[in-house]
Amino acid sequence: GEDVEQSLFLSVREGDSSVINCTYTDSSSTYLYWYKQEPGAGLQLLTYIFSNMDMKQDQRLTVLLNKKDKHLSLRIADTQTGDSAIYFCAESMAGNNRKLIWGLGTSLAVNP
Amino acid sequence: KAGVTQTPRYLIKTRGQQVTLSCSPISGHRSVSWYQQTPGQGLQFLFEYFSETQRNKGNFPGRFSGRQFSNSRSEMNVSTLELGDSALYLCASSSGHLNNEQFFGPGTRLTVL
Repeated sequence: GEDVEQSLFLSVREGDSSVINCTYTDSSSTYLYWYKQEPGAGLQLLTYIFSNMDMKQDQRLTVLLNKKDKHLSLRIADTQTGDSAIYFCAESMAGNNRKLIWGLGTSLAVNP
Repeated sequence: KAGVTQTPRYLIKTRGQQVTLSCSPISGHRSVSWYQQTPGQGLQFLFEYFSETQRNKGNFPGRFSGRQFSNSRSEMNVSTLELGDSALYLCASSSGHLNNEQFFGPGTRLTVL
């Protein structure tokens, strides 16, 4: 069945790197996404990776995809207090890119 | 470009009532998707509309329905409200490109008493 799992909480110190992990079950996923949700704000797309890629880097963000293990990670370098938010991993279904399956979100707390 | 707007932002209803939520997508976007977000279940896909037609549907009961107008604005309706329908309802619009970048509105917080 369709399932996306993430750990619920992560706490890091300001300046350290954060790594948020996600596992998914649908091996035919075409795109995998990372979204950020801040309190009172909508979901913001941070980055996405196509399923035939292993890695994508975008400024402080690095996405790693291990398709064999169905494992996705988001690394945030030099984490700042403004990065405190809930991070959601989502996968799109093969043949149906508009239906996203979501993880429950990882709450990232950045301590000064 | 204006972002995705949702109205109302907050709503309180009682069990058995019905509710209609509205979403205006980004100008030029033809795809509108609706999600329900709750602490226990996370984000769950309700349905997607494209050019006034429901194109995808999640696993929600028939009490949840939607429609899309010719200007791409969309409404979702929940009839015979239950306590468990209390949630943040999010709307997302997309241009329909393959990478499916969805832009989310701020949501409507529905509380059912």
